[in-house]
Amino acid sequence: QKEVEQDPGPLSVPEGAIVSLNCTYSNSAFQYFMWYRQYSRKGPELLMYTYSSGNKEDGRFTAQVDKSSKYISLFIRDSQPSDSATYLCAMSAQGNNRLAFGKGNQVVVIP
Amino acid sequence: GAVVSQHPSWVICKSGTSVKIECRSLDFQATTMFWYRQFPKQSLMLMATSNEGSKATYEQGVEKDKFLINHASLTLSTLTVTSAHPEDSSFYICSAVPVGGLGYGYTFGSGTRLTVV
Repeated sequence: QKEVEQDPGPLSVPEGAIVSLNCTYSNSAFQYFMWYRQYSRKGPELLMYTYSSGNKEDGRFTAQVDKSSKYISLFIRDSQPSDSATYLCAMSAQGNNRLAFGKGNQVVVIP
Repeated sequence: GAVVSQHPSWVICKSGTSVKIECRSLDFQATTMFWYRQFPKQSLMLMATSNEGSKATYEQGVEKDKFLINHASLTLSTLTVTSAHPEDSSFYICSAVPVGGLGYGYTFGSGTRLTVV
């Protein structure tokens, strides 16, 4: 079993819809959870960062972490064509700077 | 804040030559930087962990003599691909961890597309 599982998609949604992405993981030591957005031929851009369980909201983005289920989610409200990108989940354990990545989810927002 | 600059953004080189890629943390100090390689439509593959003032730690299967890493200061790490071959063509990305650890997440550079002809 891979440390981090993320369904690679792709996912196509109409403009204005809610995009829902998720990752599951197996390592209960993970404490830091991140979502990155990556446009083609660019480096990943940090979207959301969460420590331990809970929800975090930033504009149109909401990140949720459920450590009991080992499940994290990212929601994008009022999706825009500019949100079309690959979204990567990443996580790390306390005292370990190495990130474990999901495979990435390609999202296409159709105008 | 937390900007990582990576240079060059793309490079084409002849087979057998060496290429150096720079990764700089512009507004913070980074004791640790990571180097990744990414193939099309795939996730990032960690190549090595670079710690300021010490030798890099390479992942299994990564040739340390081929991918030379230097982390001479708290704001600069370099990756040199030596004697490059077409199979080294890829997208290379660095990331930096601020002093103090993961409290601010990781920041990635914009990546370097290497093409070896």
